Amino acid sequence: TQLLEQSPQFLSIQEGENLTVYCNSSSVFSSLQWYRQEPGEGPVLLVTVVTGGEVKKLKRLTFQFGDARKDSSLHITAAQPGDTGLYLCAGAETGGFKTIFGAGTRLFVKA
Amino acid sequence: DTEVTQTPKHLVMGMTNKKSLKCEQHMGHRAMYWYKQKAKKPPELMFVYSYEKLSINESVPSRFSPECPNSSLLNLHLHALQPEDSALYLCASSPPGTGERYGYTFGSGTRLTVV
Repeated sequence: TQLLEQSPQFLSIQEGENLTVYCNSSSVFSSLQWYRQEPGEGPVLLVTVVTGGEVKKLKRLTFQFGDARKDSSLHITAAQPGDTGLYLCAGAETGGFKTIFGAGTRLFVKA
Repeated sequence: DTEVTQTPKHLVMGMTNKKSLKCEQHMGHRAMYWYKQKAKKPPELMFVYSYEKLSINESVPSRFSPECPNSSLLNLHLHALQPEDSALYLCASSPPGTGERYGYTFGSGTRLTVV
């Protein structure tokens, strides 16, 4: 079974700081998604990356897929309290029909 | 309409009760999913329906019984649950065969407590 490891597990920062969250595996994924989940709500899809080396930007969020399609990062510039939440990476198994979720990074941005 | 609607939002049930969770989407998605999420854990896949037919059952106990009456609706029937079944139950949808690769639209979930 393919695994996704996220780091850090928890991050508490001040408003205006930058941060990077990592999602790593020893396995190749055909694509990778990032979700944000707020307490008591379902995950909301932020982005899907498909091509090795791909970079996507969503306002202050920058997502990168590793060249070998084994890892991904999410960088947030000038974090705001509204960015607080659980960030989940999820990968599509190669040759399979399952989504593998990472354990998540819990982000808290203090005003 | 780009939403997946789940009802109820909260449910408390006894171990001898029978209850149902409901999920509805009007995006024309022909794949629908049930996920279970325990506190501080990622979602775990339970069932997948594709074109209203059950295509994946992740070895879920029979006290959970899914049903897909039409292309817009997905139900999860609950009977004789255990306290350890308490969790957030998430419904999701996607175009068939694409959710795993391009992502899902999730509902806001039903918070289930079994007493």
